[in-house]
Amino acid sequence: AQTVTQSQPEMSVQEAETVTLSCTYDTSESDYYLFWYKQPPSRQMILVIRQEAYKQQNATENRFSVNFQKAAKSFSLKISDSQLGDAAMYFCAYRSGGTSGSRLTFGEGTQLTVNP
Amino acid sequence: KAGVTQTPRYLIKTRGQQVTLSCSPISGHRSVSWYQQTPGQGLQFLFEYFSETQRNKGNFPGRFSGRQFSNSRSEMNVSTLELGDSALYLCASMFGGSSYNEQFFGPGTRLTVL
Repeated sequence: AQTVTQSQPEMSVQEAETVTLSCTYDTSESDYYLFWYKQPPSRQMILVIRQEAYKQQNATENRFSVNFQKAAKSFSLKISDSQLGDAAMYFCAYRSGGTSGSRLTFGEGTQLTVNP
Repeated sequence: KAGVTQTPRYLIKTRGQQVTLSCSPISGHRSVSWYQQTPGQGLQFLFEYFSETQRNKGNFPGRFSGRQFSNSRSEMNVSTLELGDSALYLCASMFGGSSYNEQFFGPGTRLTVL
């Protein structure tokens, strides 16, 4: 079974600064996807960024980027130029590849506070 | 395009009762998954339905069941409610059967069991 671990229950960052959220995972599979989801107080889960395991290049989406270290099974999220709207719970998630379906395995989450 | 909708948004039940939650996926999406979110256990996968068939199932007791209709709408049923079933129940829809596709979440149903 796959597991996802987020070792930082809480993080804080100053507005306009950069913050990195950590995530490690364990799997014996070679085909999989990794995700970062954001859950603001409204509880609506929003996809932030996705990484395909077969891609060596790290994914980026505007101010969000990942550092994907496949051998180390590490998948961290970097938020640059942090904004007040980035404050939320962030979840790292794993999905098996192929046609195995949509099942996501989530980490425990990291509560991000952005200070003005 | 309308997003994933879940009804009701809030629900209060008492122990021993049963409850049915509904999820309407994005138009054209055939996969619907359900997750339970609690402060203690975090986000846990319940099950996934694809084209009216259960494709995956998480580690939950048989009191948790679901189904999917021909229009891809899905319902989740919990029988003999327990206090520990109090949670936010999220559903998510996905276009096709490939794991590559993006999954979109609904706003959730907050279930409180008294």
